[in-house]
Amino acid sequence: EAGVVQSPRYKIIEKKQPVAFWCNPISGHNTLYWYRQNLGQGPELLIRYENEEAVDDSQLPKDRFSAERLKGVDSTLKIQPAELGDSAVYLCASSFRRTYNEQFFGPGTRLTVL
Amino acid sequence: AQSVSQHNHHVILSEAASLELGCNYSYGGTVNLFWYVQYPGQHLQLLLKYFSGDPLVKGIKGFEAEFIKSKFSFNLRKPSVQWSDTAEYFCAVTPTDSWGKLQFGAGTQVVVTP
Repeated sequence: EAGVVQSPRYKIIEKKQPVAFWCNPISGHNTLYWYRQNLGQGPELLIRYENEEAVDDSQLPKDRFSAERLKGVDSTLKIQPAELGDSAVYLCASSFRRTYNEQFFGPGTRLTVL
Repeated sequence: AQSVSQHNHHVILSEAASLELGCNYSYGGTVNLFWYVQYPGQHLQLLLKYFSGDPLVKGIKGFEAEFIKSKFSFNLRKPSVQWSDTAEYFCAVTPTDSWGKLQFGAGTQVVVTP
């Protein structure tokens, strides 16, 4: 069974540039999560989707971050414009709704903002 | 707000030594508890979980964890580590009424020397 797929794996951009991350969850998982992991810390939830609906985006900095999950399958997280402090690993995870707490993580995208 | 505290940021031990990683959380209600592991170059993987029942739970690769409700703790143990256990270990908590909202600790980097 294929796991959670994320791309790109690495991204280096200059500050004020836009950047986007893509995630394809495990087939059949209708819950999708985006996390940010800063160096030396654990992942922090940014947004959670149930199918195509964002049900928890309280931690998403909405002035520069946006996300979408059209058709309730793959998802895109965007930052525009990026700031130096956005350098982090962005993780995507997915789960079945009925076992909503068992989340399966992708490899992450390591973002470096110069 | 709930929080998760992992007692050690770095642990170095020799093969065959016993391992115990501490995890405490602050939340007064019922919680689900997890340990995730991230091996070098790999994505986060679920090591074990506690939802209810026997407070001593067994996971993959010989790991176990004990939930002590009175101490708000969920410590991870392995009687005899191997070099392949070198990884970063994350404790995570979610209240049972906070659907899928995992709160992670900062992680413990474990290095096992041959």
